[in-house]
Amino acid sequence: QVQLQESGPGLVKPSETLSLTCAVSGYSISSGYYWGWIRQPPGKGLEWIGSIYHSGSTYYNPSLKSRVTISVDTSKNQFSLKLSSVTAADTAVYYCARRAYGSGSTWFDPWGQGTLVTVSS
Amino acid sequence: EIVLTQSPGTLSLSPGERATLSCRASQSVSSSYLAWYQQKPGQAPRLLIYGASSRATGIPDRFSGSGSGTDFTLTISRLEPEDFAVYYCQQYGSSPLYSFGQGTKLEIK
Repeated sequence: QVQLQESGPGLVKPSETLSLTCAVSGYSISSGYYWGWIRQPPGKGLEWIGSIYHSGSTYYNPSLKSRVTISVDTSKNQFSLKLSSVTAADTAVYYCARRAYGSGSTWFDPWGQGTLVTVSS
Repeated sequence: EIVLTQSPGTLSLSPGERATLSCRASQSVSSSYLAWYQQKPGQAPRLLIYGASSRATGIPDRFSGSGSGTDFTLTISRLEPEDFAVYYCQQYGSSPLYSFGQGTKLEIK
């Protein structure tokens, strides 16, 4: 059973860099699949941030691309998110998820439980 | 950019009733790349439907998805108490590569 777990600081100061890690268990990242980050501001909807393949290929949301870096560490079976120059608008629950596919379709499953990151001085 | 618009924003129904949730895309979306998720308070989204109409593993058959092009529907045939939650549709394929609708809140009447 594949499980994902986010970790990182829950409080980040404005203008600093948000850093989160997603540890994957029950599946080796190096075996395949894309792995992604999605966020949800309090009381609002979901926004895809970006995705990474085990080889390191990345895709980012154009609205965040200039501030986002996603990397993978196959030796630790985890992938990471860095979001620079954060503002209060980046306050959100951050989820990591696997981009699964089959039968010509694709979807996010499973998801981590999410971690709340608050941007405040 | 494809925008997904879900309606209604809030749907008030009673257990046992039928729920019909809509997801409309600003441009045509491949049916293969339309998914639905359920989210309960304090929890991560849970995959319900992929490929517009295929139920995910373990999802009860009271949940069904349909549609094509720009109009997609999630139907819950007979609402159970645990079905009251927020539902999101999601597309893959157009910039941004993935996008979600704003959600429909299904609440108990």
